Amino acid sequence: DVKVTQSSRYLVKRTGEKVFLECVQDMDHENMFWYRQDPGLGLRLIYFSYDVKMKEKGDIPEGYSVSREKKERFSLILESASTNQTSMYLCASRTDPYTEAFFGQGTRLTVV
Amino acid sequence: QKEVEQNSGPLSVPEGAIASLNCTYSDRVSQSFFWYRQYSGKSPELIMSIYSNGDKEDGRFTAQLNKASQYVSLLIRDSQPSDSATYLCAVYEGSQGNLIFGKGTKLSVKP
Repeated sequence: DVKVTQSSRYLVKRTGEKVFLECVQDMDHENMFWYRQDPGLGLRLIYFSYDVKMKEKGDIPEGYSVSREKKERFSLILESASTNQTSMYLCASRTDPYTEAFFGQGTRLTVV
Repeated sequence: QKEVEQNSGPLSVPEGAIASLNCTYSDRVSQSFFWYRQYSGKSPELIMSIYSNGDKEDGRFTAQLNKASQYVSLLIRDSQPSDSATYLCAVYEGSQGNLIFGKGTKLSVKP
């Protein structure tokens, strides 16, 4: 079975904190993604990675960075959390650009 | 900016009816198309993928693709209350390889 695991289901952080969201996949997938999902705005791509140590900005990268040191792990970093980063964060992975992506269970982050 | 458009709904159908969900996309070179189902508070799960023009059937679900019209649809036959969810259309955007999502259509199946 396909498995994408996000480190936390719910997270509460304070404004200004540095926040790490971790995602691990066990399918040897090349591509990994971070999205955020907000009511009325749908899924918006923050960053994606096609390979280890490779990253590309998505549509809304401001305030975020990523790290992919190993193939199976893709981390999203909020450098200085702000209240407008309160959202559902979804990690996904896939074999290649032509195949379906599989999602983790999501992390609901609240910044207070 | 490549776009994927869906009617936000809500789309309400009676139990046992056919639900028809539609999606249009702007990128003419897109090759891969996906339908995901998302229950409230959960992450999206894949229902169907389609790559060629025409119909693809899987159980009660049929995906239809028309690349000339840049249109992809999902039909759900014999709709059940458990089908009530938000359905997301996703398109592989050719130039950069992004997977772009529509905002989703909320489906409600009434018993």
